[in-house]
Amino acid sequence: DAGVTQSPTHLIKTRGQQVTLRCSPKSGHDTVSWYQQALGQGPQFIFQYYEEEERQRGNFPDRFSGHQFPNYSSELNVNALLLGDSALYLCASSWGGGDSNQPQHFGDGTRLSIL
Amino acid sequence: AQSVAQPEDQVNVAEGNPLTVKCTYSVSGNPYLFWYVQYPNRGLQFLLKYITGDNLVKGSYGFEAEFNKSQTSFHLKKPSALVSDSALYFCAVSQVQGGKLIFGQGTELSVKP
Repeated sequence: DAGVTQSPTHLIKTRGQQVTLRCSPKSGHDTVSWYQQALGQGPQFIFQYYEEEERQRGNFPDRFSGHQFPNYSSELNVNALLLGDSALYLCASSWGGGDSNQPQHFGDGTRLSIL
Repeated sequence: AQSVAQPEDQVNVAEGNPLTVKCTYSVSGNPYLFWYVQYPNRGLQFLLKYITGDNLVKGSYGFEAEFNKSQTSFHLKKPSALVSDSALYFCAVSQVQGGKLIFGQGTELSVKP
């Protein structure tokens, strides 16, 4: 049973560029959440997707956007990259759009470095 | 506003001794509480959750946590620590079972032989 998979594992970009990160949820899950984890910090919620719509959003600027596809996979897009966007980006999946008793399952993340 | 505090950046324990990692929370309404563990260069692994019911929750790898509503705490415990328990531990709270998680800053657990 495949867990949450994220790609790429590592990514290096320069300021001003755009990046797309990808996530495939755990089998049977239909809800995807994205988190940003800066070095030495706890993860910060970016947004959650269910039924191909953004259901919840954290305190992140509009430069951060996402998408969910019919197969429940998801993308996180970040435009106009800043040095402060350097972080580990974690994808978590769950079932039921926030109404399930089951916990979120996390992938191993994408390490994004901005030069 | 929801928040989670983990007052200890690091906890050091000798192998075989009991361990406690502390967590306090602030949330309006009934909290849903979680503990996750993170190993180097990996994502977060779910350990246990409190939704409702018994205040003592048992989870993976021999860990348990005690929910205390009056003290708004959810401390993680294990009766006998292993060297392999050394990792970064995160407490998290949510107002909705599957909704956004608010994480603490994390506690580095170091278990020495």
